[in-house]
Amino acid sequence: GNSVTQMEGPVTLSEEAFLTINCTYTATGYPSLFWYVQYPGEGLQLLLKATKADDKGSNKGFEATYRKETTSFHLEKGSVQVSDSAVYFCALSPYNQGGKLIFGQGTELSVKP
Amino acid sequence: GAGVSQSPRYKVAKRGQDVALRCDPISGHVSLFWYQQALGQGPEFLTYFQNEAQLDKSGLPSDRFFAERPEGSVSTLKIQRTQQEDSAVYLCASSPRRTGSEKLFFGSGTQLSVL
Repeated sequence: GNSVTQMEGPVTLSEEAFLTINCTYTATGYPSLFWYVQYPGEGLQLLLKATKADDKGSNKGFEATYRKETTSFHLEKGSVQVSDSAVYFCALSPYNQGGKLIFGQGTELSVKP
Repeated sequence: GAGVSQSPRYKVAKRGQDVALRCDPISGHVSLFWYQQALGQGPEFLTYFQNEAQLDKSGLPSDRFFAERPEGSVSTLKIQRTQQEDSAVYLCASSPRRTGSEKLFFGSGTQLSVL
C-alpha cells in the first residue's frame, strides 16, 4: 500500500540553524511527492513538490529531492527563521488515482530567536 | 471569495446527532476533496469529486458518512448518528485540474467535537 513516515516532532531550533525533516514513503508505481505547511491558525499550504525521481522542489529557501533509491523526500533549509515555526507535512499522490494525497503525521517545528 | 470556504468553523454535536459540513470551493474548480484530520495526525483522505461525480469514496470510514456535490460546485459532507471517534477537523480542498494534487487549495476546516 501507500504510506508516508515522517520524523517525530516537535523539533526545536535556534534562529539561523540548519533544518532537516526526514520523510520516507512506500508506494506502488511512481507517485508525486509534496511538502505542505500549516502555520498557526491557518490552512494547509503547498510548500514544494517533485513529480519524478531526482527532481528537486524548492520554495522560500526550503528544498527537497525525490530519491527513488532510498524512497525519501527529506526537507531541508539552510537557515531557519522564527517565521518558519509551523507544522510540516510530507505527502504523496499515488499515480493515476485522481490526485488524492496520502499524508505523514506531521512534524512541528519551533524556531526560537 | 478568494479561497476555499468551509462552514461552520466549529461544530459541537451530541453523540447520535446528524451533522452537515459545507464546502465552497474556489469558483470554477473541477476537483474537490474531503479529508479528516484527527488531533496530532496528518489529514486522511475521505472522498473525491470531479465536477458532480464522486469518483472515489474509498476513504469514508463507514456508511454513516455521506458526501455530495450535486451541481459540481458546493459540497456537503454529512455524518449521521455521530460518535465520539468522529471528532476531528474536516478539511475541504479544491483544484482547477482533473487530477488535483499538483494545484490543490485547502480550506481552514471545520472542527467537529462530538460529546
